[in-house]
Amino acid sequence: QVQLKESGPGLVQPSETLSLTCTVSGFSLTSYSVSWVRQPSGKGPEWMGRMWYDGDTAYNSALKSRLSISRDTSKNQVFLKMNSLQTDDTGTYYCTRALPGGEGYWGQGVMVTVSS
Amino acid sequence: DVVMTQTPVSLSVSLGGQVSISCRSSQSLVHNNGNTYLSWYLQKPGQSPQLLIYKVSNRFSGISDRFSGSGSGTDFTLKISRVEPDDLGVYYCGQGTQYPPTFGAGTKLELK
Repeated sequence: QVQLKESGPGLVQPSETLSLTCTVSGFSLTSYSVSWVRQPSGKGPEWMGRMWYDGDTAYNSALKSRLSISRDTSKNQVFLKMNSLQTDDTGTYYCTRALPGGEGYWGQGVMVTVSS
Repeated sequence: DVVMTQTPVSLSVSLGGQVSISCRSSQSLVHNNGNTYLSWYLQKPGQSPQLLIYKVSNRFSGISDRFSGSGSGTDFTLKISRVEPDDLGVYYCGQGTQYPPTFGAGTKLELK
C-alpha cells in the first residue's frame, strides 16, 4: 500500500539548515508527485513545495529563496532542504503524495523545533 | 495567495447528528481547465491530516458516503451525516487551483 515516512532531526539551531528525507513505498516517484507541507502547532497546514513526477519542482514563493526539493528515484526518496531557519519555522513537517489539486496520502510527519 | 476562510471555528454535535462546515475562497477556484480544485481534510487528534473530498465533491478512497461536498466558485460546504465518534477532530478545506496551494485555518468538531 501507499506509504510515506519523513525522517530528520527534531531540533535545529536558529540560522542553521533543515534537511528532511521522505521515503516512499507502494508507488513510483516517476509516476506520482510528492509535496512537502508543514503545520505549526494549532494552526492550519502550509504548502511548501512539490517534486513533480517528471522531476520538475514548484515552490511556495514565500519560502522559495530558502527552500530546495530534490529526489533520488533509485532510493524512493524525496529530500527537503531549507536554510536560515528561525523559530517560526517550528512545526510538524509532512510529505504527501499529491493528486490533481490536493494532497492524497500523508506521512506521519516529523516534529521540528528551531531553538538554541 | 488565495485565502481560505472557514466557518464556524468550532462546532458541537451529538452522535448521530448532522453538521455543515463552510469554506469560502478569496478568488474563484475554477481552474482554466474547467476543474475546481477544492479539497476537504480531517485531522484527528495526534494524527496527520487525511483527505476526505477532492475536486469539490469526490470522495477519496475508503471515505464513507456520510461525507459529502458541494459548492462552486468561491463558496463550498462539507456535510457530515450520522456523526460518529471517529469523525471528531479538525476539518480543513484546501485549494489547489492557484499557486501556492493554501488551506483554511480549520473547524474543530466536538461532541455536544
